[in-house]
Amino acid sequence: GAVVSQHPSRVICKSGTSVKIECRSLDFQATTMFWYRQFPKQSLMLMATSNEGSKATYEQGVEKDKFLINHASLTLSTLTVTSAHPEDSSFYICSAKLPGRPYEQYFGPGTRLTVT
Amino acid sequence: GQQLNQSPQSMFIQEGEDVSMNCTSSSIFNTWLWYKQDPGEGPVLLIALYKAGELTSNGRLTAQFGITRKDSFLNISASIPSDVGIYFCAGTFYNQGGKLIFGQGTELSVKP
Repeated sequence: GAVVSQHPSRVICKSGTSVKIECRSLDFQATTMFWYRQFPKQSLMLMATSNEGSKATYEQGVEKDKFLINHASLTLSTLTVTSAHPEDSSFYICSAKLPGRPYEQYFGPGTRLTVT
Repeated sequence: GQQLNQSPQSMFIQEGEDVSMNCTSSSIFNTWLWYKQDPGEGPVLLIALYKAGELTSNGRLTAQFGITRKDSFLNISASIPSDVGIYFCAGTFYNQGGKLIFGQGTELSVKP
């Protein structure tokens, strides 16, 4: 149980384009999902909290117009990186909270984004 | 804000040795979690701790929630090559909406 998937696992895009990353909870419903960014050899940096049916809550310093988050269903949250730049290249990971276990997060396998 | 200090940053050990790593916080947590991350993958939850003083095992892994609620440790006994990876501690408090604060990670290397 508590399986989270992400798609795509890797994506290469050109500067100025937008790219969408999907995060799905496969065997449970997740009212809350989280999006993280991770640089090489560093810890996870929380970008935003995604709540089903409402606007995402962004962490300080994260541009909400650049990183669009949509949590339209109980099993799917999407992160869209708009007008991507090379500095947006990173490893993006989502996680989901399991119902009944509000303090545990289960992570997806991550998406490697490269902007050329 | 809350900060987590995780140590050591890296460890190089021989297969079969025991390993210990720990995290300390500037403020109290009500939950401590330990994750392992393999290269190019997302973190996998190893152990969750909910009560001060709690000692929990998962196979060769044992973790404890410190009595002061400001620290936690993870022990790995009889390490094997597949234990290689980065281990993260994470903590949260009741009023944080489930948001986790992560330690900097401990990179474990195991020499066969």
